Amino acid sequence: GENVEQHPSTLSVQEGDSAVIKCTYSDSASNYFPWYKQELGKRPQLIIDIRSNVGEKKDQRIAVTLNKTAKHFSLHITETQPEDSAVYFCAASIPPGNTGKLIFGQGTTLQVKP
Amino acid sequence: GAGVSQSPSNKVTEKGKDVELRCDPISGHTALYWYRQRLGQGLEFLIYFQGNSAPDKSGLPSDRFSAERTGESVSTLTIQRTQQEDSAVYLCASSLDTSKQFFGPGTRLTVL
Repeated sequence: GENVEQHPSTLSVQEGDSAVIKCTYSDSASNYFPWYKQELGKRPQLIIDIRSNVGEKKDQRIAVTLNKTAKHFSLHITETQPEDSAVYFCAASIPPGNTGKLIFGQGTTLQVKP
Repeated sequence: GAGVSQSPSNKVTEKGKDVELRCDPISGHTALYWYRQRLGQGLEFLIYFQGNSAPDKSGLPSDRFSAERTGESVSTLTIQRTQQEDSAVYLCASSLDTSKQFFGPGTRLTVL
């Protein structure tokens, strides 16, 4: 079945620097890849998503890239701010079809130091 | 409009007891998902409802777990004969088009 690996598990950056989180998936039939941000004790919130027919998507300081051949996708946060500190989860859709079922990575704890 | 809501927010129970967790999705969202999140871990898919179709139960970890959904509204997740390993946050999400999922605040279950 589908498996998602996420790295690194923790990431500490200085305010203003960029942060990159990487995920790999195993099933080439996965076609939807969302990223969620979860602040301590709160619900996961969708921050950006990408479908397999697109290689890159950007929304202000956040971008996601997808390499279907290598089966990996990455989250890029530029000009990091302290409020970006949270746990970030990548996810991949579980084939077959477009049911929306997701398998999640183990999460990356991002700390942005002021 | 209102987001996804879940109740109770916290539930403490004794090993062997049954518990029922409730999820109210966003109005009009036809898809509803339940996930389990153990401490410091990612989310595990449990069950998926889409409209009036039969639910996809492929993620349920054992036959002690079951879920129901009334039409396209409220869903309940039931765990029978709870075990300590069932302790986790149970999250519900709903979606309009099976892509962007919106999560509820979760129910923190503690089995003593």
